[in-house]
Amino acid sequence: GENVEQHPSTLSVQEGDSAVIKCTYSDSASNYFPWYKQELGKRPQLIIDIRSNVGEKKDQRIAVTLNKTAKHFSLHITETQPEDSAVYFCAASIQGAQKLVFGQGTRLTINP
Amino acid sequence: DGGITQSPKYLFRKEGQNVTLSCEQNLNHDAMYWYRQDPGQGLRLIYYSQIVNDFQKGDIAEGYSVSREKKESFPLTVTSAQKNPTAFYLCASSFAAPPLGYTFGSGTRLTVV
Repeated sequence: GENVEQHPSTLSVQEGDSAVIKCTYSDSASNYFPWYKQELGKRPQLIIDIRSNVGEKKDQRIAVTLNKTAKHFSLHITETQPEDSAVYFCAASIQGAQKLVFGQGTRLTINP
Repeated sequence: DGGITQSPKYLFRKEGQNVTLSCEQNLNHDAMYWYRQDPGQGLRLIYYSQIVNDFQKGDIAEGYSVSREKKESFPLTVTSAQKNPTAFYLCASSFAAPPLGYTFGSGTRLTVV
């Protein structure tokens, strides 16, 4: 079945700098790649997603890039702010499947 | 609360007891899911259901049971056979494949005492 690997497990950046989190997936039939943000004690919330027919998607300070050949996708956060501190999860879904397979999560800390 | 409601927020269970966690959604989603999250860990799939009266085991189904008698509801029972049940349990729902609109509930924190 599908396997999603996420790196790094922890990331610390200075406020205002950029943060990048990377995920690789195993099944070339995967076609949907969302990213979730989970604040402490809260539910994961969708922040951005991308379909396999698109190489990049942006939403203000957040962007996701997809490289289907290499089977990896990345989350980019620019001009980081303290409220960006959270755990971020990537996920992938195989075409025709109704479930997401999640990465292990990245704990992002923004230092003031 | 975002269209998907989990209750209770906190639950304490004595060893050897079964407990049921509630999950209700009003998003008209077809599919519903249960995940387990341990401290510092990712999300592990317990069970999922694509339609009423049908469900499939996820990666860690042992010691858990579910039912899907209504589209809106997908309760999870943690049985006494689950050896290490203390965890944060998250319910989610989505539209049909691909799972767009994947929405999580606020979670239930289960502690065995």
